[in-house]
Amino acid sequence: NAGVTQTPKFQVLKTGQSMTLQCAQDMNHNSMYWYRQDPGMGLRLIYYSASEGTTDKGEVPNGYNVSRLNKREFSLRLESAAPSQTSVYFCASSLRGGAAGELFFGEGSRLTVL
Amino acid sequence: DAKTTQPNSMESNEEEPVHLPCNHSTISGTDYIHWYRQLPSQGPEYVIHGLTSNVNNRMASLAIAEDRKSSTLILHRATLRDAAVYYCILRGRDDKIIFGKGTRLHILP
Repeated sequence: NAGVTQTPKFQVLKTGQSMTLQCAQDMNHNSMYWYRQDPGMGLRLIYYSASEGTTDKGEVPNGYNVSRLNKREFSLRLESAAPSQTSVYFCASSLRGGAAGELFFGEGSRLTVL
Repeated sequence: DAKTTQPNSMESNEEEPVHLPCNHSTISGTDYIHWYRQLPSQGPEYVIHGLTSNVNNRMASLAIAEDRKSSTLILHRATLRDAAVYYCILRGRDDKIIFGKGTRLHILP
């Protein structure tokens, strides 16, 4: 069972470069999320998508864009990377919106911006 | 967004029960209480959730206060593998799921 798959797992960028983090889930989930986690910190919500075709800002959306390409895929784009975006990024999905849905997380993508 | 408050860290001895507290005084009537844990170098994983009644599963128990302003995650017999960061979150209908800093649980052999 693949669950939530993130690519790439590791990436090093130079300041100003752009890149896209990919996330795909094979559980037919409606809701998908992108979080970042800085060393020794909790998770902070960047963007989320309650259903195909909709996206909403989370706690820290500045510097990021997202695309809910279809029900399976939710990508996160950094248009001009900055050192402050060095972090571990986690994608998550949930079967349904609403309060009882369990979140499933990917293994994370570790991004370093020099 | 409703917020939760947890202690930064806790310690427990191996093979003893662990009670992890969480305060959520601004919880709304439709918010579910969820617990996740994050092992080192891994993504968070679901532990348990509940609305009003206490809940049990193979991993843990969740005790919810009568006024729902606090809850406690109970690990009945801690092992070294339970050392992790535990997050208590509130999940409402708006799908915006906010994590706090969680509680780092240390297990002493």
